[in-house]
Amino acid sequence: DVQLVESGGGLVQPGRSLRLSCTTSGFTFGDYAVSWVRQAPGKGLEWVSFIRSKGYSGTAEYAASVKGRFTISRDDSKSIAYLQMDSLKTEDTAMYYCIRNIRVHGYYYKDVWGKGTAVTVSS
Amino acid sequence: DIQMTQSPSSLSASVGDTVIITCRASQGISNYLAWFQQKPGKAPKSLIYAASSLQSGVPSKFSGSGSGTEFTLTITNLQPEDFATYYCQHYNSFPLTFGPGTIVDFK
Repeated sequence: DVQLVESGGGLVQPGRSLRLSCTTSGFTFGDYAVSWVRQAPGKGLEWVSFIRSKGYSGTAEYAASVKGRFTISRDDSKSIAYLQMDSLKTEDTAMYYCIRNIRVHGYYYKDVWGKGTAVTVSS
Repeated sequence: DIQMTQSPSSLSASVGDTVIITCRASQGISNYLAWFQQKPGKAPKSLIYAASSLQSGVPSKFSGSGSGTEFTLTITNLQPEDFATYYCQHYNSFPLTFGPGTIVDFK
């Protein structure tokens, strides 16, 4: 079974940092791209970040709202993706989901989602 | 950035109904459009990619169509487990954007 399990969420003060992990199993992690999507309480879905597989450069993309503050990375030896979140703001409060992405003809669509990890930024 | 809109924002339906949700992109995205279902307190679930291709395990009561800027998600024979919020999302280019969602609730 393909599984993605997020962890690392919690309560953090504004301006501090947090690192989320996405631990995967059931597939060859290194062959896939990974996304992070968040959902603020009572709101819709917001794409946050994306990282390609190393076979397709391993480069990353970011939403404007997090660029320069968040860093996505991957450890293919451990089948884990990370989201390093620095300079956190209250508006970063959300459930964060990790998603596997499928590449077709250079475009990526999402298939399997994790259950999410909650991040609360508050003093 | 490409903006995504959905209509209606909510709809009320009965068991057995057919519902149609529309998603529009602010510019052409070919068929790089996905649909997701989310139930309260749960993670989203992928339903459709490439505008009309069903994800593995998704029943054929769900269908998608469209290309360019206008897309639809059709759900036939609505069942209690189908009452949820549905989101579209383009993946034509970065940044990726989601529609605001359509709530399908019980009439």
